[in-house]
Amino acid sequence: AQSVTQLDSHVSVSEGTPVLLRCNYSSSYSPSLFWYVQHPNKGLQLLLKYTSAATLVKGINGFEAEFKKSETSFHLTKPSAHMSDAAEYFCVVRVMNSGNTPLVFGKGTRLSVIA
Amino acid sequence: DGGITQSPKYLFRKEGQNVTLSCEQNLNHDAMYWYRQDPGQGLRLIYYSQIVNDFQKGDIAEGYSVSREKKESFPLTVTSAQKNPTAFYLCASSLAGGRGYNEQFFGPGTRLTVL
Repeated sequence: AQSVTQLDSHVSVSEGTPVLLRCNYSSSYSPSLFWYVQHPNKGLQLLLKYTSAATLVKGINGFEAEFKKSETSFHLTKPSAHMSDAAEYFCVVRVMNSGNTPLVFGKGTRLSVIA
Repeated sequence: DGGITQSPKYLFRKEGQNVTLSCEQNLNHDAMYWYRQDPGQGLRLIYYSQIVNDFQKGDIAEGYSVSREKKESFPLTVTSAQKNPTAFYLCASSLAGGRGYNEQFFGPGTRLTVL
């Protein structure tokens, strides 16, 4: 069965410094991977998705993620954090060969940005 | 504007009562989903529906029920059999079919509190 592990429950960075949110996945098939962001008491918004077209995926708000099959990782990065990036981030996997099945969510990483 | 609406935003229930959470979408999506979110646990799937008049149980379906009589609507009923219903509930929708690249679009959520 597929699963996803977010390695940090909480990450704290200073404004203007790089962001790294780590995610490892487990899947028997080639996965489809997503990162979502959630601000307090809001729904989730898609940041980016991996669809096998390119291993480096660029998303909204300056975020990007790199798919590394050998490491089964899909870490999210941003060169310079803004105060508005403070939110909860979810790494998500779907097994591609199973069609449009539901997504499997990681437990989330809370990002704090310090002024 | 196309999107997903959930109502109400906040809902209070007495123990022993059934309550129904509304979810409507005008994105013309075939698939719809209900998730439950508890602090530190990510999102857990309650029910999903890939087509009108059909739905499947997710990981935590006990104590919940759904219907899918119209493409646009996927209401969730939290029954008195649900032992710990206080949580944030999120509805989502997506295109069906394809090879799994389809992302899910989320509503703003309903916060249910049992008094």
